[in-house]
Amino acid sequence: ETAVFQTPNYHVTQVGNEVSFNCKQTLGHDTMYWYKQDSKKLLKIMFSYNNKQLIVNETVPRRFSPQSSDKAHLNLRIKSVEPEDSAVYLCASSPRDNSYEQYFGPGTRLTVL
Amino acid sequence: QQKVQQSPESLSVPEGGMASFNCTSSDRNFQYFWWYRQHSGEGPKALMSIFSDGDKKEGRFTAHLNKASLHVSLHIRDSQPSDSALYFCAASDQGGRALIFGTGTTVSVSP
Repeated sequence: ETAVFQTPNYHVTQVGNEVSFNCKQTLGHDTMYWYKQDSKKLLKIMFSYNNKQLIVNETVPRRFSPQSSDKAHLNLRIKSVEPEDSAVYLCASSPRDNSYEQYFGPGTRLTVL
Repeated sequence: QQKVQQSPESLSVPEGGMASFNCTSSDRNFQYFWWYRQHSGEGPKALMSIFSDGDKKEGRFTAHLNKASLHVSLHIRDSQPSDSALYFCAASDQGGRALIFGTGTTVSVSP
């Protein structure tokens, strides 16, 4: 049963374009995350939000920015995409901090031509 | 260098057999460990957590943690074709900072 929803499933774009991915969770969780999964399947945390506060911000390029309207939504915007941004972007949520289980969405696959 | 390393990178197991793989971290602050499983085309899903030294069993899955050596392992008994997936070890510290995922182990179970 899916409780973390991501759109779109796939996106193909050209270098330099802006893209935005959406994520919504219906679990009532307090914390949401964005991860990047590269072509080698490595999973790296990008951002996490707790009560609309950014609590973890790993060293990601400034062209990436998370956007949250409420605790159920956390979108990801990429200004001026680069070829190395091609990856699967996974959204997740958890009840509180990382001692609790994280629930992942199905991911958005980005291809930058 | 990844803070959480997994081995082997991949393994093949006959249906009904035992699959075993390992995870070692390099950060002594890590207190919480998880095993996640990711089927192709899906997001990872948590299998089980282990926070204390020793064994933890959930159905066909048994995790073992040794905090002194920062070593975690997962054993799958009576492996099924549906167990074919990418398995991740994940760790976080007591402060609840970001969950750090390991390098992954791909398991293939052949009928």
